[in-house]
Amino acid sequence: EAQVTQNPRYLITVTGKKLTVTCSQNMNHEYMSWYRQDPGLGLRQIYYSMNVEVTDKGDVPEGYKVSRKEKRNFPLILESPSPNQTSLYFCASSMGLAGGPFSYEQYFGPGTRLTVT
Amino acid sequence: GDSVTQMEGPVTLSEEACLTINCTYTATGYPSLFWYVQYPGEGLQLLLKATKADDKGSNKGFEATYRKETTSFHLEKGSVQVSDSAVYFCALSGGTNAGKSTFGDGTTLTVKP
Repeated sequence: EAQVTQNPRYLITVTGKKLTVTCSQNMNHEYMSWYRQDPGLGLRQIYYSMNVEVTDKGDVPEGYKVSRKEKRNFPLILESPSPNQTSLYFCASSMGLAGGPFSYEQYFGPGTRLTVT
Repeated sequence: GDSVTQMEGPVTLSEEACLTINCTYTATGYPSLFWYVQYPGEGLQLLLKATKADDKGSNKGFEATYRKETTSFHLEKGSVQVSDSAVYFCALSGGTNAGKSTFGDGTTLTVKP
């Protein structure tokens, strides 16, 4: 089954304790992205990757790191989490978002609910 | 940068009523436009899309037309069902920056029997 998986689904942690949220896709997609969803703010893009070893900042990259060493995986790293990073996080993948006919739909994971106390 | 503005919600309708959710955008280049739907406790899934001006996307009775002259992509359905209750997001990608994706704030739709 074609899917995007995220782990963990739920995480409660304390300020400053480094954490990693994993994301994996089995569709051989070149494009992957991370979003956070907050009430009243919709989805905001954190980082995206057009291909292996190619990453770029989205609209809200502060406090986050990513890496794309393999095509299927795109982990999100919070090196020193703070309470304002409490949110619902989604990973997504796509064949590509280059614009016009080269923009394809994104497939979303089930989400990771993170609470930082 | 690019932006997407959705009509504010929540929206509550009776079954079989007509639905319109407004969406306007600001972008340069040749963005593609999307509507995604999110059911409770789930991730987003594509509802429909349009990749160029005057394209009409349609799926499950929902329709939206890419209007470049009014920079709009309004979502419409002629007769909603209780099962359409969800959060709807308008989104664009491939505009000013290839690879960047911009979402609206989402509109919560509740359909009552």
